[in-house]
Amino acid sequence: QVQLVESGGGVVQSGGSLRLSCSASGFSFSGYGMHWVRQAPGKGLEWVASIRFDGSKNYYTDSVKGRFAISRDNLKDTLYLQMNSLRPEDTAVYYCANGWEQRFDNWGQGTPVTVSS
Amino acid sequence: QTVVTQEPSLTVSPGGTVTLTCASSTGPVTTGYFPNWFQQKPGQAPRSLIFATSSKHSWTPARFSGSVLGGKAALTLSDVQPEDEAEYYCLLYFGASQVVFGGGTKLTVL
Repeated sequence: QVQLVESGGGVVQSGGSLRLSCSASGFSFSGYGMHWVRQAPGKGLEWVASIRFDGSKNYYTDSVKGRFAISRDNLKDTLYLQMNSLRPEDTAVYYCANGWEQRFDNWGQGTPVTVSS
Repeated sequence: QTVVTQEPSLTVSPGGTVTLTCASSTGPVTTGYFPNWFQQKPGQAPRSLIFATSSKHSWTPARFSGSVLGGKAALTLSDVQPEDEAEYYCLLYFGASQVVFGGGTKLTVL
């Protein structure tokens, strides 16, 4: 069955960096687009970034453009999110999900990120 | 800034039917926005129920259905079960760089 396991979250000071990973199994990772979605404490879902199946195109929500970078390693079946210049408002649980551009089919359990000021 | 609006909360009786809606600040929602619906229970990750307006996954219970109705995306739950109590989120796709979730609807089964 499809499994997505996020890791790399933690507590970081404002202005710091973190790299999240999402390890995938149970499906052909290299054939699927991938997404990052976050959820601030007690709040709703927010799309963060997406990457095409071959890594040829990346897309970002405006608030993270220039600070976050989504990437993937299709040999390792792993998705990444490099987060730089972190702000307190980036505090959230970060989920990875698979699917074509308009689909978010399967989700991981999430990894929490806390940015302290 | 595009805003996607859902009912903040709804209450339904067990066995009843309820429709959740998803509206866009840009105008009527069409199938071209590929509406998705997700269910999230407390302490759990979201789970996809519906994609591309009305398509279901293999795991989506038959009592869930999606549509576009009156310029809004809609999720209808029939024969509601106690385990359907959850937060429901819609998603509209305005383009690869503009994917917007609604604020969520808290569904209470009472």
